[in-house]
Amino acid sequence: DQQVKQNSPSLSVQEGRISILNCDYTNSMFDYFLWYKKYPAEGPTFLISISSIKDKNEDGRFTVFLNKSAKHLSLHIVPSQPGDSAVYFCAASPDGNQFYFGTGTSLTVIP
Amino acid sequence: EAQVTQNPRYLITVTGKKLTVTCSQNMNHEYMSWYRQDPGLGLRQIYYSMNVEVTDKGDVPEGYKVSRKEKRNFPLILESPSPNQTSLYFCASRAGLAAYNEQFFGPGTRLTVL
Repeated sequence: DQQVKQNSPSLSVQEGRISILNCDYTNSMFDYFLWYKKYPAEGPTFLISISSIKDKNEDGRFTVFLNKSAKHLSLHIVPSQPGDSAVYFCAASPDGNQFYFGTGTSLTVIP
Repeated sequence: EAQVTQNPRYLITVTGKKLTVTCSQNMNHEYMSWYRQDPGLGLRQIYYSMNVEVTDKGDVPEGYKVSRKEKRNFPLILESPSPNQTSLYFCASRAGLAAYNEQFFGPGTRLTVL
């Protein structure tokens, strides 16, 4: 049973606009949330993280929002760039050792 | 260069033939983990290790073994591979035990079991 869900398999956005990637989870014990980006034929690379004591974390063009009551997190990329085109995975952990990943959202940024 | 390396990168084998996928990191990281990626299922954690001689099961450990005899190495062992273990495997490592620290992933090993 998938505990972390990314319901949009793909997303297309114009260059310069905002990309919003969504992630839902079912386990209320999750305390840590992370986003990873993956290019073809490479391993995932870390983007940004947030712990459950915060509702927002920002790093440059990337912002993660956490809504614990809705069990929902989102990643905002502003402005989107063609190099952002990749598959994005959200991940959640209850303890910092076990990790549960979503199925990924393929983002295409159109120049 | 700080990195996680995996070998082999590609492997085709037959059912029941024992194999080992090696993983090595040069960053002196305490935490290491194995994942498999399958279409429609995302990444699923197989095993993780918090330090030498300390390993534990992830979400999908059945059919796999691991060992952590040295800090830098974390091999994944398939004693009797089956076709449902055909997948893309990733090893990852992380400094310390803080969950929000980034995991560094290897380039992946594509395994096909016939």
